Amino acid sequence: AQSVTQPDIHITVSEGASLELRCNYSYGATPYLFWYVQSPGQGLQLLLKYFSGDTLVQGIKGFEAEFKRSQSSFNLRKPSVHWSDAAEYFCAVGLHSGNTGKLIFGQGTTLQVKP
Amino acid sequence: ETGVTQSPTHLIKTRGQQVTLRCSSQSGHNTVSWYQQALGQGPQFIFQYYREEENGRGNFPPRFSGLQFPNYSSELNVNALELDDSALYLCASSPEGTDTQYFGPGTRLTVL
Repeated sequence: AQSVTQPDIHITVSEGASLELRCNYSYGATPYLFWYVQSPGQGLQLLLKYFSGDTLVQGIKGFEAEFKRSQSSFNLRKPSVHWSDAAEYFCAVGLHSGNTGKLIFGQGTTLQVKP
Repeated sequence: ETGVTQSPTHLIKTRGQQVTLRCSSQSGHNTVSWYQQALGQGPQFIFQYYREEENGRGNFPPRFSGLQFPNYSSELNVNALELDDSALYLCASSPEGTDTQYFGPGTRLTVL
């Protein structure tokens, strides 16, 4: 069965430090991969997506992610974290079954930023 | 920002009642998906509509139903509410021919 695992439930980093959030997926074919961010009580904002091509994907707010097929991973990175980055981060796999394109989400990683 | 709006923002119902949640997306977004996000969890796919027809369904009972209208609005209806239905309900729309889903702010449903 298709699944997404985000191994880190909670991460704390200092402002200005680098960040890497891990995501592993289980899917038989080449997946569509997404990272979304959710602030408390809010909907999901798309940070970046991977469909094909260059395995290093640039997103908004200075985030990037790298698709590694051999490791079934799509880790999110940012070189210098800002206090406003504190939020919940979700990795998702986009699946197609017939005409349906649904997203399978991981459990999420809560990012706390220390001043 | 995404052009997807949802109403109401918050809703409180009692067990056994029925509820209708609404979503409005941008022109040209012919696909709409609904997700349920329980507290502390990732969103779970409920169902998807494409051009007013149900296009796929997740592991949710038939008391969860939906409608999509020609004006790019849609509804999620839940009958016979249960306590476990308390969650954030998210609507997401996709432009024609793409697989990218853009989410609304959600409706927080509390069932007492």
